[in-house]
Amino acid sequence: NAGVTQTPKFRILKIGQSMTLQCTQDMNHNYMYWYRQDPGMGLKLIYYSVGAGITDKGEVPNGYNVSRSTTEDFPLRLELAAPSQTSVYFCASSPDRKRGYTFGSGTRLTVV
Amino acid sequence: KNQVEQSPQSLIILEGKNCTLQCNYTVSPFSNLRWYKQDTGRGPVSLTIMTFSENTKSNGRYTATLDADTKQSSLHITASQLSDSASYICVVSADGNFGNEKLTFGTGTRLTIIP
Repeated sequence: NAGVTQTPKFRILKIGQSMTLQCTQDMNHNYMYWYRQDPGMGLKLIYYSVGAGITDKGEVPNGYNVSRSTTEDFPLRLELAAPSQTSVYFCASSPDRKRGYTFGSGTRLTVV
Repeated sequence: KNQVEQSPQSLIILEGKNCTLQCNYTVSPFSNLRWYKQDTGRGPVSLTIMTFSENTKSNGRYTATLDADTKQSSLHITASQLSDSASYICVVSADGNFGNEKLTFGTGTRLTIIP
């Protein structure tokens, strides 16, 4: 199984540009999450979803949007990129909230 | 405020030696504690999950302990291998509203194994 697949792996954006980070899982997990990891900091939750059609804000949602039209896909949208959004973004999924998460390999985003 | 503190920040040991990583937390209400391994440039990989009633759990050469009274956990690595070089992240889960849980991530211990 592929697990959680994130694309792209790397991206450089100019301030004000928009982009979508893709995340797909093939494990039929209901729960999906987006985290960002900044140097020297613990992962911070951006958005999460408990099933298709249901999303909710995490700890640091400002500047981001998500959608969950299918169980498999959970894209993260940046509308107006800012330097503060330079980070490594991880998508994760889990079958329920008590189980360990399966993480993707991350997207390294630089906003210049 | 929920917090997870890990120590040491970094550790270098010789291949074949054992080591122990520490995690202290102030998270309430406690649900479970997880240890993850994160290789450079990769996503975290789950090692163990422990609930309140579990005080030890093993995964191969990795053994995690939990003392819910003192709010401390440790991850012991036995007979280290070069492939153990990674960051080890302690994550504590708190039960949130409406059945949702909130994870608090530590900043990790960077472990380097040298031959």
